[in-house]
Amino acid sequence: QQPVQSPQAVILREGEDAVINCSSSKALYSVHWYRQKHGEAPVFLMILLKGGEQKGHEKISASFNEKKQQSSLYLTASQLSYSGTYFCGTVHSGGSNYKLTFGKGTLLTVNP
Amino acid sequence: DSGVTQTPKHLITATGQRVTLRCSPRSGDLSVYWYQQSLDQGLQFLIHYYNGEERAKGNILERFSAQQFPDLHSELNLSSLELGDSALYFCASQGQNYNEQFFGPGTRLTVL
Repeated sequence: QQPVQSPQAVILREGEDAVINCSSSKALYSVHWYRQKHGEAPVFLMILLKGGEQKGHEKISASFNEKKQQSSLYLTASQLSYSGTYFCGTVHSGGSNYKLTFGKGTLLTVNP
Repeated sequence: DSGVTQTPKHLITATGQRVTLRCSPRSGDLSVYWYQQSLDQGLQFLIHYYNGEERAKGNILERFSAQQFPDLHSELNLSSLELGDSALYFCASQGQNYNEQFFGPGTRLTVL
């Protein structure tokens, strides 16, 4: 089942904050977040694991509510470079059947 | 640069033809995932290989097949191509620490 992302699009001015949500109808094993700029490949931002562990590379934070099967990505003090489409990817089981199902994406535009 | 390579970058072909897309994962990564990205369907998981073995299948058509070779590179074969197969095809290799996925630059397939 494809996760549902909201909002579909958001426009910010530099320095403003944004929250992108991702929800699933099935129990989650982990949630991945990726950003894709136009014409480029998706780039890994963060992974949230069952049990609360988080792994990320940038100054972006996220939360994972296992009970509600939801994750939120928090972009604070946005920069122009944050513009792009953000995808959450959900994993419902680990092990050999590990597969990532992506939401439809949230288009974030940061203007000067 | 994610360390994942894909060739060719662009491919233009006709309906009914067959093409092969190639992917080399990052050094040390054993998993390769294939995705199709189109405007209307978003990022769709196709198939996952781990160390030469097929591990999971997603929305992959019967006209499509893949394999992973002993040197860990993978090929995605698309046959009896239709106009609707025009899309970006990404492969990704999976890190062994956090299961994050590193995407290659993609192959843009245009079927005329």
